[in-house]
Amino acid sequence: NAGVTQTPKFQVLKTGQSMTLQCAQDMNHEYMSWYRQDPGMGLRLIHYSVGAGITDQGEVPNGYNVSRSTTEDFPLRLLSAAPSQTSVYFCASALWHQETQYFGPGTRLLVL
Amino acid sequence: TQLLEQSPQFLSIQEGENLTVYCNSSSVFSSLQWYRQEPGEGPVLLVTVVTGGEVKKLKRLTFQFGDARKDSSLHITAAQPGDTGLYLCAGESIFKAAGNKLTFGGGTRVLVKP
Repeated sequence: NAGVTQTPKFQVLKTGQSMTLQCAQDMNHEYMSWYRQDPGMGLRLIHYSVGAGITDQGEVPNGYNVSRSTTEDFPLRLLSAAPSQTSVYFCASALWHQETQYFGPGTRLLVL
Repeated sequence: TQLLEQSPQFLSIQEGENLTVYCNSSSVFSSLQWYRQEPGEGPVLLVTVVTGGEVKKLKRLTFQFGDARKDSSLHITAAQPGDTGLYLCAGESIFKAAGNKLTFGGGTRVLVKP
């Protein structure tokens, strides 16, 4: 099993550009989520999904869109990047109502 | 909104010393998880505490969940350089409809010097 994979590992964008951060898991987990990590603020939940076709907002959803067309994939879209979105983004997955969440290696995003 | 506060934010100690990291909230959580994160990697789960007053040990690490399920602590005995990392606590909501949603603390960066 590859676990949770994220691409790209690092990305530089200009303000106003769009991009999609990819996340995939091969553990057949129902629950997937996106977090952003900023210094001193831990991880903050952006969006999450409890299964294919079902998504919901987390703590900081503004500026981000998600979709869940398959169990395996949960892409995060930035429609118009802003410098405030400079951060490290982590994707995580888990079996529904199970304790352990598995995190990907992260995508470091710099918006100029 | 449920908030978790971790203290201290940064801890630098010598090898062999003990340390304690605290995680506090005014909210009740269904469970409390502790993660460790290495630079350039995602967090990795260390332990989950579920019952108020519960104590779990993982080699030199001792985790405790407060009686009221609002706070937790992580104690490391005889710290080693390999314990260096960012320690994060995360609380799981008591509302079952929230599913796996976690609220993270701000993290404690631990540096153990040889």
